[in-house]
Amino acid sequence: AQTVTQSQPEMSVQEAETVTLSCTYDTSESDYYLFWYKQPPSRQMILVIRQEAYKQQNATENRFSVNFQKAAKSFSLKISDSQLGDAAMYFCAYPLTQGGSEKLVFGKGTKLTVNP
Amino acid sequence: NAGVTQTPKFQVLKTGQSMTLQCAQDMNHEYMSWYRQDPGMGLRLIHYSVGAGITDQGEVPNGYNVSRSTTEDFPLRLLSAAPSQTSVYFCASSYDRLHNGYTFGSGTRLTVV
Repeated sequence: AQTVTQSQPEMSVQEAETVTLSCTYDTSESDYYLFWYKQPPSRQMILVIRQEAYKQQNATENRFSVNFQKAAKSFSLKISDSQLGDAAMYFCAYPLTQGGSEKLVFGKGTKLTVNP
Repeated sequence: NAGVTQTPKFQVLKTGQSMTLQCAQDMNHEYMSWYRQDPGMGLRLIHYSVGAGITDQGEVPNGYNVSRSTTEDFPLRLLSAAPSQTSVYFCASSYDRLHNGYTFGSGTRLTVV
């Protein structure tokens, strides 16, 4: 089964510090994409960063970067210089095509708290 | 540039009532989908559409209907609301399906009493 696992239900970080959220996934495909979404208290789902599996280089978007280890099927999100506005639920997601159905498979999420 | 617009943002229904959650996008996206979000469950796919006139079921379709008469609109109908359908519902669209991620609406919090 194609799954996405986020093993940390909750994490906390001090403002200006760095935090890493973990995500592992299971797939038999060789070429795919991975995503991290942020869901703040406003409930809006916001795409934070995407990684293409065939690219060796880890994706970076400002203070957000990933540590993508394809062989280990690991896709962690690193937030540098954490800000109060980073407090949110973070979801790792993997797009799956299976039996004619297409969907994003989401992990159960990690709740990030940023302490001032 | 509105993106994906969902209405209403909140709704309370009585068991057995029916209603339609509206979703519209102005990005000319072919792919649209509906997810529900429940605590501890992440997001689960209800129905999706790859273009006008084409819809298909996701992993939790029971109790929901969809139609896609235009590229812009993808309404979700609850036929006879049940307490188990209490959830937050998200509509999402994508230009190239799965490669660039989805753009999500702001969600609808539905409570069935």
